[in-house]
Amino acid sequence: DIQMTQSPSSLSASVGDRITITCRASQDISRWLAWYQQKPEKAPKSLIYAASSLQSGVPSRFSGSGSGTDFTLTINYLQPEDFATYYCQQYNSYPLTFGGGTKVEIK
Amino acid sequence: QLQLQESGPGLVKPSETLSLTCSVSGGSISSDSDYWGWIRQPPGKGPEWIGSIYYTGNTYYNPSLKSRVTLSVDTSKNQFSLKLHSVTAADTAVYYCARLDTDYVTYWGQGILVIVSS
Repeated sequence: DIQMTQSPSSLSASVGDRITITCRASQDISRWLAWYQQKPEKAPKSLIYAASSLQSGVPSRFSGSGSGTDFTLTINYLQPEDFATYYCQQYNSYPLTFGGGTKVEIK
Repeated sequence: QLQLQESGPGLVKPSETLSLTCSVSGGSISSDSDYWGWIRQPPGKGPEWIGSIYYTGNTYYNPSLKSRVTLSVDTSKNQFSLKLHSVTAADTAVYYCARLDTDYVTYWGQGILVIVSS
């Protein structure tokens, strides 16, 4: 199985900040990576696929980059509604696997 | 607007079978481009992919659960289903049904909490 490691596991930030979350795969997954946002007691929401393509309706302050084993999710001008937990997921090979999550909290 | 809705018992006894159904509305489960899947999330943990199914019945399972999981699809009802056999407390989780495009999730159901307890 491909292991997905996210860092940091949590971070504190203020509205208006720019933050970056890292996701590392245990082997080369090309650009087969997705990012999801999850708020408490809610289902995850799909943000990004193919490492950098935004799902329809996702604000442009979200961006993704990377290929191979190292990926990042960047949120520019953090908004109050962005405080949530973010997960990466590889879909290069089965079984599909998720990272452990990064919780973004209000400073 | 595509909607997915999970249904089934919220409490299952140890050693019994967990059975859930996902009803799809606002779209056809027989779409050539989509897979349909189940993902679970234990309390306080990250998501875990259980398996995926195509409308033709082709299935892909997580090897860690494969011996206990059965996925099925009913195109006439626009539904797909999950059976997880011989459950234990470790199977307690929120179970999500989902639509997948090339193995990433594009739509999630709202989720259903299933507790395994006697």
